[in-house]
Amino acid sequence: GAGVSQSPSNKVTEKGKDVELRCDPISGHTALYWYRQSLGQGLEFLIYFQGNSAPDKSGLPSDRFSAERTGGSVSTLTIQRTQQEDSAVYLCASSPRSNSGRAGSTDTQYFGPGTRLTVL
Amino acid sequence: GENVEQHPSTLSVQEGDSAVIKCTYSDSASNYFPWYKQELGKGPQLIIDIRSNVGEKKDQRIAVTLNKTAKHFSLHITETQPEDSAVYFCAASWTRANNLFFGTGTRLTVIP
Repeated sequence: GAGVSQSPSNKVTEKGKDVELRCDPISGHTALYWYRQSLGQGLEFLIYFQGNSAPDKSGLPSDRFSAERTGGSVSTLTIQRTQQEDSAVYLCASSPRSNSGRAGSTDTQYFGPGTRLTVL
Repeated sequence: GENVEQHPSTLSVQEGDSAVIKCTYSDSASNYFPWYKQELGKGPQLIIDIRSNVGEKKDQRIAVTLNKTAKHFSLHITETQPEDSAVYFCAASWTRANNLFFGTGTRLTVIP
């Protein structure tokens, strides 16, 4: 079946502009994650959605970052007033269900190809 | 929170040799340890994972070992091939965690 898709694949923007990044998770997956990967670094958690529960926003680096998930499927990550340090690859992942509620079990996260954001 | 360290950052091996990548973690509550392979321009792909109730897991040329007492786990790739060249990431998590905690990655180059 189709994997996680993200768009655009590349985005170049000017400092101060707003950007929106889109993620389409695997059909039927209830959990969705956003991560950021800076050059030469590991993946940094940003935000997590599970079903209709309030999202875990603990990883968002500033109030310029926000995300929505409409209808429990597609998600949009918005960065307002972009800064050069926001340049990175933004990765989305989905999993069949959340880690909670199944003692001793953690679901595999399936990643999309990412959006490479460059802020000039 | 959890802190995952990964070594080495780069690794070059001759085709056919073995490669070993090591990770340590800080939170004893972690009980899930996946390894991801990331090729250029692509998202990370899960290649193998291990849970805290086992010490070793194998899948063809790939194996992962876990030492919960020492809080470290390792990826072993035997009979390496050029197509194994990629960046490998380890990660750690625990039941009811909302995210994975990643190491900083190892760039593996297999020399034909």
